[in-house]
Amino acid sequence: GQNIDQPTEMTATEGAIVQINCTYQTSGFNGLFWYQQHAGEAPTFLSYNVLDGLEEKGRFSSFLSRSKGYSYLLLKELQMKDSASYLCAVRFYNQGGKLIFGQGTELSVKP
Amino acid sequence: DAGVIQSPRHEVTEMGQEVTLRCKPISGHNSLFWYRQTMMRGLELLIYFNNNVPIDDSGMPEDRFSAKMPNASFSTLKIQPSEPRDSAVYFCASSSPRTGKETQYFGPGTRLLVL
Repeated sequence: GQNIDQPTEMTATEGAIVQINCTYQTSGFNGLFWYQQHAGEAPTFLSYNVLDGLEEKGRFSSFLSRSKGYSYLLLKELQMKDSASYLCAVRFYNQGGKLIFGQGTELSVKP
Repeated sequence: DAGVIQSPRHEVTEMGQEVTLRCKPISGHNSLFWYRQTMMRGLELLIYFNNNVPIDDSGMPEDRFSAKMPNASFSTLKIQPSEPRDSAVYFCASSSPRTGKETQYFGPGTRLLVL
């Protein structure tokens, strides 16, 4: 299988930093995506990693280690509006263009 | 630039009725994906098309579900007959290989309730 594992839920404080981890099976890996989904809304694209290292985009950064089958999404200076579900999705060579999504991590930001 | 457009946004129907969900992908995108999302099962891919051709329908639950893409700007997902367990949010997404990332962009979804 191609299990995508991420924590079910996390809680953090406004202004803090939070790291959401995602692990996947490495065979056939061809790119990893992070999406944000607010309650009742559609997933929206946050970041894409295909090479090892850190991709930074404002308050959000995403890291990838292909050899370890591991990624994380780092959110800095947390705001209340960051409360949402964060979905890790992986594309595999033998799956064409489709993405395999994790179950999502429900992040609650508290004042 | 218009994003992915889906209709209807909400649908309430009775068990046994036919339901048709519609999607217009982003102009120029040549891949289209249909997903279903529930609390229990998360986001599941049902079927995807590339250049209007179905590539992978392994996620389609059963024969009651069918999808078509008659042209590059329109796709339908049909459930006939519908059952209460089909209640979910159905998302359509599209992507283009031109950027190299093939990032999928999601429509607003159709919230389906089958009574």
